[in-house]
Amino acid sequence: EAQVTQNPRYLITVTGKKLTVTCSQNMNHEYMSWYRQDPGLGLRQIYYSMNVEVTDKGDVPEGYKVSRKEKRNFPLILESPSPNQTSLYFCASRNLGGQETQYFGPGTRLLVL
Amino acid sequence: SQQGEEDPQALSIQEGENATMNCSYKTSINNLQWYRQNSGRGLVHLILIRSNEREKHSGRLRVTLDTSKKSSSLLITASRAADTASYFCATDDAGGTSYGKLTFGQGTILTVHP
Repeated sequence: EAQVTQNPRYLITVTGKKLTVTCSQNMNHEYMSWYRQDPGLGLRQIYYSMNVEVTDKGDVPEGYKVSRKEKRNFPLILESPSPNQTSLYFCASRNLGGQETQYFGPGTRLLVL
Repeated sequence: SQQGEEDPQALSIQEGENATMNCSYKTSINNLQWYRQNSGRGLVHLILIRSNEREKHSGRLRVTLDTSKKSSSLLITASRAADTASYFCATDDAGGTSYGKLTFGQGTILTVHP
């Protein structure tokens, strides 16, 4: 089954404790991205990657890191989480070129105390 | 910045009625997509309309696109309680430096009462 998976689905942590949210897709998509969703602000892109070892900032990259060592994986790293990073996070992937839809993971709900 | 702006922010209707949601955007696009999100869950792709298309249907969904007005509408006919969700438009922007990026609106919360 074609899908994007994220782990963990729920996470409670404390300020400053490094964490990683994993994302994996099984559709051989070139393009992967991370979004955060906050009430009243919609979905905002954090980082994206157009292929292995190619990453770039989205609209709200501050406080986040990503890596793309393999085509299928695109982890989101919070080196020193802060309460303003409490949010619902989505990973997504799509093929580039043509008219392609984007596939979303189920979301990771993060609470930073 | 937000590309798509949706209207209304919230819509409450009775089962069987039609629901119409509108989306406006600012720049040239390759296509516009509509997504659905059940409370706090992942987004599900509903329909994609290309910039050279004016109308598209999928089951009870009808999407229109007016590139001269930079606007789109999503019509759900004969709504059901199970259609209760948030609906987002997203634009696949033409040109620029963010190739492949989708820009989302803030969404319309649809409530369908049984």
